[in-house]
Amino acid sequence: DTGVSQDPRHKITKRGQNVTFRCDPISEHNRLYWYRQTLGQGPEFLTYFQNEAQLEKSRLLSDRFSAERPKGSFSTLEIQRTEQGDSAMYLCASSSLGDPPGELFFGEGSRLTVL
Amino acid sequence: AQKVTQAQTEISVVEKEDVTLDCVYETRDTTYYLFWYKQPPSGELVFLIRRNSFDEQNEISGRYSWNFQKSTSSFNFTITASQVVDSAVYFCALVAGGTSYGKLTFGQGTILTVHP
Repeated sequence: DTGVSQDPRHKITKRGQNVTFRCDPISEHNRLYWYRQTLGQGPEFLTYFQNEAQLEKSRLLSDRFSAERPKGSFSTLEIQRTEQGDSAMYLCASSSLGDPPGELFFGEGSRLTVL
Repeated sequence: AQKVTQAQTEISVVEKEDVTLDCVYETRDTTYYLFWYKQPPSGELVFLIRRNSFDEQNEISGRYSWNFQKSTSSFNFTITASQVVDSAVYFCALVAGGTSYGKLTFGQGTILTVHP
């Protein structure tokens, strides 16, 4: 399968714990995005990388959240000291520099439940 | 700031019925792009269509058609002769010129259920 893959697909954690999600984009894609989707809502933009550079961060990305893409390939999203309000689906998407605007390829998401 | 509103939270139809999903958007930019994405139960969003703000020509792709009207800031999506496989959550989205083209603003989504 050559699509966007995310791991883990589901994570249940206790409040206060740290969690990390991984995203492997389509191999030739140099742009990578993280979105968050809460129940019954549309996805909300969190952050965007072009190669290894993090070019944009949403105000939704509090200081407990950190995203990296160290070698311009896979990316990680870490949430420290999780809160119940962090429970959501975390979606990763990728695209290529030459792709038409907004045409993103999404993974199946990582669902986080904070107890 | 941009905003996308999908007023229909849920729609339920019987197979072979036609169904229209409404989308209204707000932006101050004159250059923007509108999208529809489909999210099946598996979770991954699938791109369906993109229109730019300078192209109001309606588009038809098989059983799918899209009606873009700048005068009413609407970008509606019609499925003709719906099928059970069309059951999914459908999102309308917007990106304005000058921002990152991957920074989409999504509507709340419309859950479409097609019954056999």
